[in-house]
Amino acid sequence: DTGVSQDPRHKITKRGQNVTFRCDPISEHNRLYWYRQTLGQGPEFLTYFQNEAQLEKSRLLSDRFSAERPKGSFSTLEIQRTEQGDSAMYLCASSLAPEFSEQYFGPGTRLTVT
Amino acid sequence: TQLLEQSPQFLSIQEGENLTVYCNSSSVFSSLQWYRQEPGEGPVLLVTVVTGGEVKKLKRLTFQFGDARKDSSLHITAAQPGDTGLYLCARNTNAGKSTFGDGTTLTVKP
Repeated sequence: DTGVSQDPRHKITKRGQNVTFRCDPISEHNRLYWYRQTLGQGPEFLTYFQNEAQLEKSRLLSDRFSAERPKGSFSTLEIQRTEQGDSAMYLCASSLAPEFSEQYFGPGTRLTVT
Repeated sequence: TQLLEQSPQFLSIQEGENLTVYCNSSSVFSSLQWYRQEPGEGPVLLVTVVTGGEVKKLKRLTFQFGDARKDSSLHITAAQPGDTGLYLCARNTNAGKSTFGDGTTLTVKP
């Protein structure tokens, strides 16, 4: 394994549809993070897991967003009833806790909601 | 909110020139990372600085952490077109998540 992978790389969907993204972290990393990035801005934290436990969710994350990491390995991020404002790059990162953690990012999933 | 201010927002230079970009905060960092991101890709970690006054070099890139650990700079010597990208600084919270600045978009023209 060489890094964090994400699937799909691109997703175009119509408003109101549900979408699900997958992230496979670096295999020995126990922390997994989801971020969202829009054009001209840095990544914005959404949520993170340590092993299978979801430890924090951003207050900016609406209840249409849900993330899981059922076996402490890969993670999925689902967006229900997508809106045009959900169009963004969704980034996954992983790290090895504890201490300050250097995060390694995947290539991202570009979501376009039409 | 512990904001990270990056400057300049955009920088366009000719190949061979030197440049410096900055990352500032009103609060102290426990650690700070610099990333480079190319269009359509995720950020790639360049360096982590931890100690106030620390200087790290990565080929033509020099990273400096301020003595008070509230600011950092990235200096590139003899920039090349391959240096083009978005340079992001980020701080870790105690929980490990990162807070990012909005980056400096660097364009190096051949």
